[in-house]
Formats: sequence, structure tokens, C-alpha cells
Amino acid sequence: ETGVTQSPTHLIKTRGQQVTLRCSSQSGHNTVSWYQQALGQGPQFIFQYYREEENGRGNFPPRFSGLQFPNYSSELNVNALELDDSALYLCASSLDRVSSYNSPLHFGNGTRLTVT
Amino acid sequence: KQEVTQIPAALSVPEGENLVLNCSFTDSAIYNLQWFRQDPGKGLTSLLLIQSSQREQTSGRLNASLDKSSGRSTLYIAASQPGDSATYLCAVILVSQNFVFGPGTRLSVLP
Repeated sequence: ETGVTQSPTHLIKTRGQQVTLRCSSQSGHNTVSWYQQALGQGPQFIFQYYREEENGRGNFPPRFSGLQFPNYSSELNVNALELDDSALYLCASSLDRVSSYNSPLHFGNGTRLTVT
Repeated sequence: KQEVTQIPAALSVPEGENLVLNCSFTDSAIYNLQWFRQDPGKGLTSLLLIQSSQREQTSGRLNASLDKSSGRSTLYIAASQPGDSATYLCAVILVSQNFVFGPGTRLSVLP
């Protein structure tokens, strides 16, 4: 059974640029959620995707957007990068939408984004 | 707005000690609570999930309790080992299915 994988592991971008982060969910999981974790803080919920549709969103501006594909892998896109976007971006998958809050979440190792 | 705090922010103990990590939340209308472990630069590993109708869960040397009415959860680690060194985070799961994480407790177990 393959776990949650994220790519790339590290990324450096310049303020104003755009970035795309990728996540492959664990085999059989159709729900993916994304989190932003600033240094020394707990993760903050960005949004969740269930069967290719957004299914809940945290307090993040519209320049944070996402996609989920038919194979349930997912992308997080961030436009007009700001210095404060520097963080570890984590992806988590779950068996289904109900399991996302009723069963342990499976996290990837994250993408470390640095905006200069 | 739900807020989650964790005390202490950091803890250093000698190997073999029993220890307690604390998590507090401001709104008792939660669905579940999970405790996670995070190693430096890595993702989160789920340790224990407590449903709102439960009062505690145990896994090996770990025991987590939940008191919804007082907005508190504790994670008890028995006979700590150097391999337990990590950051421990609690997260409450709201009925809206949103997760709200605490800032974590950074634990160091000294050999």
C-alpha cells in the first residue's frame, strides 16, 4: 500500500510568482485536504477535495486554489506569492469524506516552500 | 471561533519518566479530537483519535483522555524513550469537518 506522496520536497520562488504543489493520495482514498504550516506553528486548514470537488475551505484568500483529478491526486496552486506564504505545505488523504473526520488522517511529508 | 492551545510549549525530560501533555479548546462543539506526532521537517503521524462520545483511547504506552465539557484533552506517555522526541500536536475536528490544530508541544527525551 503506497502512502501519501508530495512533490517537490523543496521549492524556492520569488514574490509575485505562481507555484503548483502536487499530492498523490494513499491508494483507495478519494478525499484530500491541504494544510499550511508556518515555522513553529500548527497546520492551518486550506481546503478539502472530495471526488474532484471542493468540500470545505479555511480562511485563505482566493489566490490559493486547488484541483483534484479522477485518480484522486491533487494540486495546490498559489498565485501572486507573498513572503508570508513561506511554509511547509502538507497534504492528507482519507478513505472518504466521512472518514476524513472519523478516522486517522494520513499525511505526506510536505513541500517546503520558500518565497524570497 | 475555535482556538486550540497546548501546554507546555516545550518539555525536556530524562528517559524513563512518565509525562503529560495538555491540549485546551475553546468551543466544546467538536466532533472528534486527534493527537499527532511530527518529526522535524516531516509530515504528521496520527497517534490516537478520540470520538466526542468517548473519554479516552489507549495505544501501547500512550493514553489520551477527552473532557469535552471543560474543553481539555491530555496525552499521557508512559516510560518515555529518546525515540519519543518529537513535536506533539492535538487537533479538534469540528462538525463542519474542519480541523483546528494547536501549536504543538516540543518534547525532548534525554538518554
